[in-house]
Amino acid sequence: SQTIHQWPATLVQPVGSPLSLECTVEGTSNPNLYWYRQAAGRGLQLLFYSVGIGQISSEVPQNLSASRPQDRQFILSSKKLLLSDSGFYLCAWGHPVREQFFGPGTRLTVL
Amino acid sequence: RKEVEQDPGPFNVPEGATVAFNCTYSNSASQSFFWYRQDCRKEPKLLMSVYSSGNEDGRFTAQLNRASQYISLLIRDSKLSDSATYLCVVNRGTNAGKSTFGDGTTLTVKP
Repeated sequence: SQTIHQWPATLVQPVGSPLSLECTVEGTSNPNLYWYRQAAGRGLQLLFYSVGIGQISSEVPQNLSASRPQDRQFILSSKKLLLSDSGFYLCAWGHPVREQFFGPGTRLTVL
Repeated sequence: RKEVEQDPGPFNVPEGATVAFNCTYSNSASQSFFWYRQDCRKEPKLLMSVYSSGNEDGRFTAQLNRASQYISLLIRDSKLSDSATYLCVVNRGTNAGKSTFGDGTTLTVKP
């Protein structure tokens, strides 16, 4: 069966510090991968998606970047965090037309 | 106008009640449809897919009306454990497999 891992679960970072969140998927090959952010009490905002290794599409202009160095690895990064980057970051995998499955998420607080 | 719109609620119902959630979507080319459940501070989890013929899973019934671009979820005999936020999700069916999430409807089932 498929499993998706995200770490860390919780992160508190000062403004201006770098960020690296990692997501890995097991039990499937060549999945589409997605990064979402959910602000407190709000809906999910798609940040990035990837249909293959090295292929990244950005949905909204922002302070973040993403990379996919391996088929089942997806990384979300920032060089300098802003207060507005706080939120619940969710990685998901899926195949076209099908449902998506989410990792447990990382709760990021930028102080 | 948002691509996927849901009544945010909250819906507060007694145990045993029947409750219905509605969702409308604006992209007529959308291919697949889902309901997810999200518990507080957790990742969204797939509840059920939604088909044009309607589908049922125990106490849950989902309906899709493509002509009206409308999706519904009916929960019968509500349990305390049904308390959560329910997300309506629409997939455009492209190779990217991007999904658009509604902001969710919050349900609280009370004893």
